[in-house]
Amino acid sequence: EDKVVQSPLSLVVHEGDTVTLNCSYEVTNFRSLLWYKQEKKAPTFLFMLTSSGIEKKSGRLSSILDKKELFSILNITATQTGDSAIYLCAYPGTGYQKVTFGTGTKLQVIP
Amino acid sequence: NAGVTQTPKFRILKIGQSMTLQCTQDMNHNYMYWYRQDPGMGLKLIYYSVGAGITDKGEVPNGYNVSRSTTEDFPLRLELAAPSQTSVYFCASRGGTAEDRGGYTFGSGTRLTVV
Repeated sequence: EDKVVQSPLSLVVHEGDTVTLNCSYEVTNFRSLLWYKQEKKAPTFLFMLTSSGIEKKSGRLSSILDKKELFSILNITATQTGDSAIYLCAYPGTGYQKVTFGTGTKLQVIP
Repeated sequence: NAGVTQTPKFRILKIGQSMTLQCTQDMNHNYMYWYRQDPGMGLKLIYYSVGAGITDKGEVPNGYNVSRSTTEDFPLRLELAAPSQTSVYFCASRGGTAEDRGGYTFGSGTRLTVV
C-alpha cells in the first residue's frame, strides 16, 4: 500500500520567516509527487515533481525531490499571512489513476 | 467555465437516512474521484472512475456507492448514513494527458453532518 507521511503536522511562524515542509513516501513504481495548498475549501495544485534534484519554483514557493532518499521538501521564503493553509503532499499512483494524500502540514503565519 | 461543481454545499442527515452527493465537471475529463476529509486528516479516496461506465474502490469505500453513466457526472450515494460518515467530501477530476497528471481540479466540497 502506498504511503505518504508529512511533517511537521503543524507549524506557527512569523511573517518574513522561511519554512520547510517535509514529505516522505513509500510507494511502488514511483512516477511523481504532487504538492497542493488547501485554504478554506478545496486543494489547489502547486507542483508536480518527477525528477531528482530539479527545483520547481513559483514565486516564493519552491520544491525539490530526492528519489534516492524518498522525500520531498516544500520551501516558502518571506512568508506572508496569506500563506496560512494546509499543505498537502500526494502520490498519484501507478498509472496516475488514484492519488494518495498525506495528512498535510497546517501552516499558520502570524503578523 | 465552471470546472467541478458539487452540490449541496452543506447537509445534515439523520442516522439511517440516504442521500446523493452530486458532482459534475465540464472539462471533458475522463478521471473523476471522490475523497473525504476528516478534521486534521488528509484526503482519503472513496471511489474513482477512469471513464464513463468504469468505477473502482478506493481506500474507504464501505457505506458508499457510485455510478458513472456519463463523462460529466459522478454522483456519490450514501446509504444508511452513520455518524462516522460526518466529513467534508470533495469531488475531483483530471484529464488524461501527461500534462494533466498533476492537475487535479477539486470541487468546493460538501460538508455533511450525520446526527
